[in-house]
Amino acid sequence: GENVEQHPSTLSVQEGDSAVIKCTYSDSASNYFPWYKQELGKRPQLIIDIRSNVGEKKDQRIAVTLNKTAKHFSLHITETQPEDSAVYFCAAGPLGAGSYQLTFGKGTKLSVIP
Amino acid sequence: DVKVTQSSRYLVKRTGEKVFLECVQDMDHENMFWYRQDPGLGLRLIYFSYDVKMKEKGDIPEGYSVSREKKERFSLILESASTNQTSMYLCASTRQQTNEKLFFGSGTQLSVL
Repeated sequence: GENVEQHPSTLSVQEGDSAVIKCTYSDSASNYFPWYKQELGKRPQLIIDIRSNVGEKKDQRIAVTLNKTAKHFSLHITETQPEDSAVYFCAAGPLGAGSYQLTFGKGTKLSVIP
Repeated sequence: DVKVTQSSRYLVKRTGEKVFLECVQDMDHENMFWYRQDPGLGLRLIYFSYDVKMKEKGDIPEGYSVSREKKERFSLILESASTNQTSMYLCASTRQQTNEKLFFGSGTQLSVL
């Protein structure tokens, strides 16, 4: 089955700096890579996702990059703000009719220091 | 606004009890999931269902069962609760035949004493 490794487990940055979280996956059949953000005491919510036919995707201050050859993908947050403080989870899995399973990384706790 | 509602936010049970965790979604989604969240272990899939009365095992199904009698409701059952099942349980749903954009419930923190 799929195995997703996520690093680092904790990350502290100064407000305004950039944050990068990295994930690797093992199953070459995976072609869908979402990122979820979970604020303290709240439910995880999808913030961005990427499919394997795309190398990079941006949405305002967040971006995700994918290297299929090396089997790794990363989340980049620029100009960090205190409200970016949360636990971030990467995930990997197949995409297509009948595909249901996602394997999640163990999470990265991001703290943005004002 | 889309909603996935879990019946209890906190639950305390005794070892050996039968425990039911309920989840209801109002989005007419076909797929529903139960995840377990433990510190340092991330989200692990217990069971999922892609249709009424259909169920599939996830990565950690041992000690759990599920029931989906109606499209909007997905129940997780602990037949005989044990202390190692103390955890946060998250329900989620997605639209038909996809794992894209999981909508999560707020979670049930279960403590088994």
